[in-house]
Amino acid sequence: QQQVKQSPQSLIVQKGGISIINCAYENTAFDYFPWYQQFPGKGPALLIAIRPDVSEKKEGRFTISFNKSAKQFSLHIMDSQPGDSATYFCAASIESYGNKLVFGAGTILRVKS
Amino acid sequence: GAGVSQSPSNKVTEKGKDVELRCDPISGHTALYWYRQSLGQGLEFLIYFQGNSAPDKSGLPSDRFSAERTGGSVSTLTIQRTQQEDSAVYLCASSLGLSGAYEQYFGPGTRLTVT
Repeated sequence: QQQVKQSPQSLIVQKGGISIINCAYENTAFDYFPWYQQFPGKGPALLIAIRPDVSEKKEGRFTISFNKSAKQFSLHIMDSQPGDSATYFCAASIESYGNKLVFGAGTILRVKS
Repeated sequence: GAGVSQSPSNKVTEKGKDVELRCDPISGHTALYWYRQSLGQGLEFLIYFQGNSAPDKSGLPSDRFSAERTGGSVSTLTIQRTQQEDSAVYLCASSLGLSGAYEQYFGPGTRLTVT
């Protein structure tokens, strides 16, 4: 059972544009939603995370938007740069269950210069 | 400070052999996780350690997989009688393990190839 659905599978954006990646979850008990960035040959690196009591969180060029009623959250990368080209994973977890992360399938982002 | 380290970075083994993968978490992190990343299954949880509590083994795919954590620090993931479907990147992550400090930091992974 896929508990976190991520789209699109791949994305091409022009330099300076906005990259948008969407995730939807099924389990309403999830209470922590991080996004990870992964470069080839490296482990995932935490980008930004949100809890369901907040509808939006911004850190630099990265923004998470969270819609609790729709059970959806998204990552927006403003002013996308070629260096942002990587695979992005959304995830969700339940604190009381040990924060075991359930990951989306990933989105391969390519920013064209 | 130092991040999560894993060794070896690459491991090639023959089908049927046992392998041990090592994870050294960030100093002071009480929670340690193992995940597996494969083309077919994506990133999936394997096992979780928190302090001195019994580990949560709910993600282990078969009884050929086991893990231990000695002294609340270094962890070893053991795969017995390896199969070709075990080929994947095995990732370790650690976190403070405190309420409100959920962030998990990943190591570079061990790429396991079973021939």
